Amino acid sequence: AQKVTQAQTEISVVEKEDVTLDCVYETRDTTYYLFWYKQPPSGELVFLIRRNSFDEQNEISGRYSWNFQKSTSSFNFTITASQVVDSAVYFCALSGPISRDDKIIFGKGTRLHILP
Amino acid sequence: NAGVTQTPKFRILKIGQSMTLQCTQDMNHNYMYWYRQDPGMGLKLIYYSVGAGITDKGEVPNGYNVSRSTTEDFPLRLELAAPSQTSVYFCASSSTSGPLAPQYFGPGTRLLVL
Repeated sequence: AQKVTQAQTEISVVEKEDVTLDCVYETRDTTYYLFWYKQPPSGELVFLIRRNSFDEQNEISGRYSWNFQKSTSSFNFTITASQVVDSAVYFCALSGPISRDDKIIFGKGTRLHILP
Repeated sequence: NAGVTQTPKFRILKIGQSMTLQCTQDMNHNYMYWYRQDPGMGLKLIYYSVGAGITDKGEVPNGYNVSRSTTEDFPLRLELAAPSQTSVYFCASSSTSGPLAPQYFGPGTRLLVL
């Protein structure tokens, strides 16, 4: 069965600090996809990134970076030099192979507070 | 493009009442989804549709119904509202199925059943 665990329910950091959001997943598939979504206070979910299971190269996009490690089944998300606008709930998600027409399984989310 | 729009934004229902949550997308996406998000929980899939005229159950379909008469619209109906259906409901759409196409979400409908 597929499962996504975000053990951190809520995190608070002071602005400009770095913060890492953890995501651990379970799957029996050899081909799968991982996602991060952001849900700001407005409520709308915003797609941030998708990675496939064959690409373990870490990715950086501005202040955001993602560390994908198959050995530990983790796909962690780091925000560098955090800003108040980063305050949101962040969801990690997992999907199976394309051929199976899978739906996306979401974790419970981590609420991030960036304090000014 | 407006993307995915949902109405209403907020609604209070009495137990046993019915209502329809509206969802419209203007991106010509074939795939549409309804999720619910309970406090402190992740998203759970209620129903999804792979195209006009085709719908299927997700993880938590009981108490809900959907229809997909057009590509643009995917309404979600609650026939007999129950307190357990108090939640935030998100509609989403994607151009294809599976993980290659990210899902675009609407702003959500907050529903309170008393």
